[in-house]
Amino acid sequence: NAGVTQTPKFRILKIGQSMTLQCTQDMNHNYMYWYRQDPGMGLKLIYYSVGAGITDKGEVPNGYNVSRSTTEDFPLRLELAAPSQTSVYFCASSRDPTETQYFGPGTRLLVL
Amino acid sequence: AQSVSQHNHHVILSEAASLELGCNYSYGGTVNLFWYVQYPGQHLQLLLKYFSGDPLVKGIKGFEAEFIKSKFSFNLRKPSVQWSDTAEYFCAASGTYKYIFGTGTRLKVLA
Repeated sequence: NAGVTQTPKFRILKIGQSMTLQCTQDMNHNYMYWYRQDPGMGLKLIYYSVGAGITDKGEVPNGYNVSRSTTEDFPLRLELAAPSQTSVYFCASSRDPTETQYFGPGTRLLVL
Repeated sequence: AQSVSQHNHHVILSEAASLELGCNYSYGGTVNLFWYVQYPGQHLQLLLKYFSGDPLVKGIKGFEAEFIKSKFSFNLRKPSVQWSDTAEYFCAASGTYKYIFGTGTRLKVLA
């Protein structure tokens, strides 16, 4: 049982490039989340999903897109990378929206 | 509006000192409360949680937290910290509304 896995662990992007952050969970959780973590700012919710085919915006969705074609996978897409998107990105999943969230190891993204 | 406040942003303690990290919440209806911990270079993981019942909750590694409804608080405590407790600690609330994380408290324990 791997839990929540994320790839890549670290990436450097140039301004304007695009990339997809991958997230997979093997716990059969319906709920999945993408957060960004900036120093001193805690966790900000980017997007979340309540099940395959259903996604919704969180607090800071601008500049990002998501899809959820399967229960297991919840990729996050950055279309035109900007320096403001330099951050650490965490994916999480939960069985129920009120219960414990299980986090992946994170992706550190640097946009130059 | 719903919110979770952690008033201590940085805490520095010597080993064996006692720890108390504050967490106050504003949340309508039934609330579930959590403390998560993030060790250096690692992902967040659950330390303990409160859903209902005994307001004194015990978690892993000797941590405990007390839910005081009248004070809207869920403070985290540990009688004697260790160097390995150096980490960032996040309080969170969930319930009728969205899942909300506090901004975190960075704890540094000096050996």
